[in-house]
Amino acid sequence: DGGITQSPKYLFRKEGQNVTLSCEQNLNHDAMYWYRQDPGQGLRLIYYSQIVNDFQKGDIAEGYSVSREKKESFPLTVTSAQKNPTAFYLCASFGTGREKLFFGSGTQLSVL
Amino acid sequence: GENVEQHPSTLSVQEGDSAVIKCTYSDSASNYFPWYKQELGKGPQLIIDIRSNVGEKKDQRIAVTLNKTAKHFSLHITETQPEDSAVYFCAASRSGYALNFGKGTSLLVTP
Repeated sequence: DGGITQSPKYLFRKEGQNVTLSCEQNLNHDAMYWYRQDPGQGLRLIYYSQIVNDFQKGDIAEGYSVSREKKESFPLTVTSAQKNPTAFYLCASFGTGREKLFFGSGTQLSVL
Repeated sequence: GENVEQHPSTLSVQEGDSAVIKCTYSDSASNYFPWYKQELGKGPQLIIDIRSNVGEKKDQRIAVTLNKTAKHFSLHITETQPEDSAVYFCAASRSGYALNFGKGTSLLVTP
């Protein structure tokens, strides 16, 4: 069953702590994206990767980091530098040819 | 960069009525316009999309129209049902670039 898997569904962060959100896809898509969603707001782009071992900052990259060591995986780390991390985080992948963006089910991050 | 405006932010209709959500975009080079439906606590699901070489596209009760000259596109849902209640997002992009999303419309269909 092909798709995008995000884990965990809920995550809590303590002050000064880094946390990592997982995103895995088995759609053989080249491009992967991380979006942040706040209540009443649209989806804002954090980072994206068009190909393995390469990624670019989106509109709100400060306080976040990513890696793309494998085509299937694009983890997002929310660092302690991100002062307002509480949000719903969405991972997506975009397949060339079909040219459609598909989303995972999201991770809700909250601060303790 | 691209700026996508979406209206209204909330929309309430009675079951069986039609619902229309409108979006405008700023980048005349944008050529791909998808619409997503998001239910509470879930990721957005692609429901329909249109490319700039097409003026209208229909899929059962859902249709999208595009006016390239005016740089706006709209989602039309006919014969609305309670299960259509959700948040709807429009987006726009040019080839090879990330999607830019509107801020969403919360649609409520009342029985």
